[in-house]
Amino acid sequence: DAEITQSPRHKITETGRQVTLACHQTWNHNNMFWYRQDLGHGLRLIHYSYGVQDTNKGEVSDGYSVSRSNTEDLPLTLESAASSQTSVYFCASSGPSLEGAKNIQYFGAGTRLSVL
Amino acid sequence: DAKTTQPPSMDCAEGRAANLPCNHSTISGNEYVYWYRQIHSQGPQYIIHGLKNNETNEMASLIITEDRKSSTLILPHATLRDTAVYYCIVRGSISSGSARQLTFGSGTQLTVLP
Repeated sequence: DAEITQSPRHKITETGRQVTLACHQTWNHNNMFWYRQDLGHGLRLIHYSYGVQDTNKGEVSDGYSVSRSNTEDLPLTLESAASSQTSVYFCASSGPSLEGAKNIQYFGAGTRLSVL
Repeated sequence: DAKTTQPPSMDCAEGRAANLPCNHSTISGNEYVYWYRQIHSQGPQYIIHGLKNNETNEMASLIITEDRKSSTLILPHATLRDTAVYYCIVRGSISSGSARQLTFGSGTQLTVLP
C-alpha cells in the first residue's frame, strides 16, 4: 500500500547543530507539506512544495529549509537548531484528484525533535 | 478563506452518536468543508469533505445546512478510539496554488466516555 513515512521518529540534538528530518511518500503526489505542532499553537505550516524543484515558505519558515529533487521526498533541514525548534514535526502530501478531493492531505506519523 | 468556529470540547458516551458542530458563516460558493481528526500523538487523519450535499463514508456523515453556514460531523456509534481532536476546515476548490494549503484551527476535543 502507498504510504508516507517520516524518519527518525524521535531525535535529540544540541543547539547549533544541523538536523535533517526525512519525509518519503509513495503515492507519487505532487504536493508535499511540513508542519510543526506545539502546545497552544496547533499545526503551523513551515514549508511546502507543489512539485520537483518547487519550494515555498509557510507561516513559520525562519530557520528551516527544504529541497525537492524528486517527487517522493521532501527533507526538512534545520540549519542551526535552536531550543525554540523543539516540537513535533509532521509531513503531509496530497495529489491530483477530483475537485474538492485535492485538499485531502495524508500525514506521516511525525518526528518528535528535542533541541537541548 | 472562511473562518470556522468549533466548541473547544465535547463528551460522548460510547456507542452513542457524536455530533460535532462547526460554524462557517462566511463560506463562499466554491469552498468545501473538510473534517480531519488527530488522535493523541498521531498525525492528522482525513475523515470526510463536502460542498453542499450531505455526505457519508465508512467513517462518518457530514451534514451541511442549506445556507452552508454551518455543518455537523456525525460519528454514528462512537468508540473509545474516536477520542481525538476534530478539525473543521474550509478551503476553496483548486484553482490556484495557495488553495492546496490547509489551516488548522484549535478544533474540538472529543472525549468518548465508557
